[in-house]
Parts: sequence; C-alpha cells; structure tokens
Amino acid sequence: GESVGLHLPTLSVQEGDNSIINCAYSNSASDYFIWYKQESGKGPQFIIDIRSNMDKRQGQRVTVLLNKTVKHLSLQIAATQPGDSAVYFCAENGSGGGADGLTFGKGTHLIIQP
Amino acid sequence: EAQVTQNPRYLITVTGKKLTVTCSQNMNHEYMSWYRQDPGLGLRQIYYSMNVEVTDKGDVPEGYKVSRKEKRNFPLILESPSPNQTSLYFCASSGWGSKPLHFGNGTRLTVT
Repeated sequence: GESVGLHLPTLSVQEGDNSIINCAYSNSASDYFIWYKQESGKGPQFIIDIRSNMDKRQGQRVTVLLNKTVKHLSLQIAATQPGDSAVYFCAENGSGGGADGLTFGKGTHLIIQP
Repeated sequence: EAQVTQNPRYLITVTGKKLTVTCSQNMNHEYMSWYRQDPGLGLRQIYYSMNVEVTDKGDVPEGYKVSRKEKRNFPLILESPSPNQTSLYFCASSGWGSKPLHFGNGTRLTVT
C-alpha cells in the first residue's frame, strides 16, 4: 500500500552539527510535502513545505530537498541547537483521506548531544 | 495570537461515560480535522469538516462523532468511550486552498 515513512526512528547529533532527516514516500502522484516538528507536550508545528515543481526550498536554518525520481524527501537543519530536539514528521498529499489529503510519516526523534 | 485551542488537555474517564473534547480556532479557517496519535502508528485522521454543517469520516471514525455548527468550533464526541480510545488527540485547521495544518496542543485521553 501507499505510505510515508522515515528511515530512522531516532537520530542523535552533536550540538552545532547539521542534521539530516529523511523521508520516503510511495505515491508518485503526491505533489505537496510538509515537514512538521513536534516538541514534547505540544502539537505538530509547521516548519516548511515544498511542491513537486521544486527540488529545494530554504527557510531559516532549514532546507527541504525533494527527489521525485526516487521519491525521497529530506529536511536539513543547519547548526543544530538544543531547541531543535523534537520529533519530526513528513507529510504528503495525494494518498490520505480527507480534504487535506495528507498522510503523515511516523516520525524521527532528533536528539541533540551537548 | 492565531491558534487552535483544545480542552481539556488531560482527561481520565471510565468506559461508557460520554465525553466531549472541544476545539476552537481563531483564524477563520474553513477546514478542521481531528487526529489521534498512537505509538508506532503516527497521526491518523478521525473526522474532518470542510465547512459549517459539512463533516466526513477520516480513516478511523468508529466510536467518534463530530459536529460543525459554527465555523470556529469542531467538538469531538465519544458517546461510549472504550479503553482502545485511550490516545493523544489533536485538532487541526487550515484555510481553504492553504495546505499547512495548524494543530492544537493535544488532549491526552485515558479510558479505564
């Protein structure tokens, strides 16, 4: 079946290093992708999105890369800080239920080592 | 401040006792949705609403009801809660044609 997944449930990085969180999707018809950050005790918070007509999009300290050929999405966080510690979800449209059509991955827990 | 507000944040109840979790958004969003989040399963959609008086089932609607009598409110109703509905619940909203969902801070429900 169609799914959105992340390669690693947990990722540990040193403070100050760059973090790369990966996501694979299986629906080639998906044309919109989102990354969310969920801190402990809070709801998912929108970070950045990208449409399928783009390969790369940058925000403040974050970059999303989309490789449609291999159906792969990644989130890069530059100079990781303690406040980046959270669970990160990717989401795609095109295969989920509901008007938003979003299907969520199960998340990668980013752990920042001092 | 633009936000989605859920209440209560924590709720412990017993099997069969009807409960309602409220959700309100102040962004004039047309679209609202309820999700449950369980370990290993991620976010799963329960119900959604595209506008006032319009609601539809998501992926896991069994045991839940919703209503959308006003644009800003979208309560989740459990008529007869069961232990398998113990979960973390999120309400979310978005503007029409605007994809990013805005989430509330969650309601942790325990049914004993």
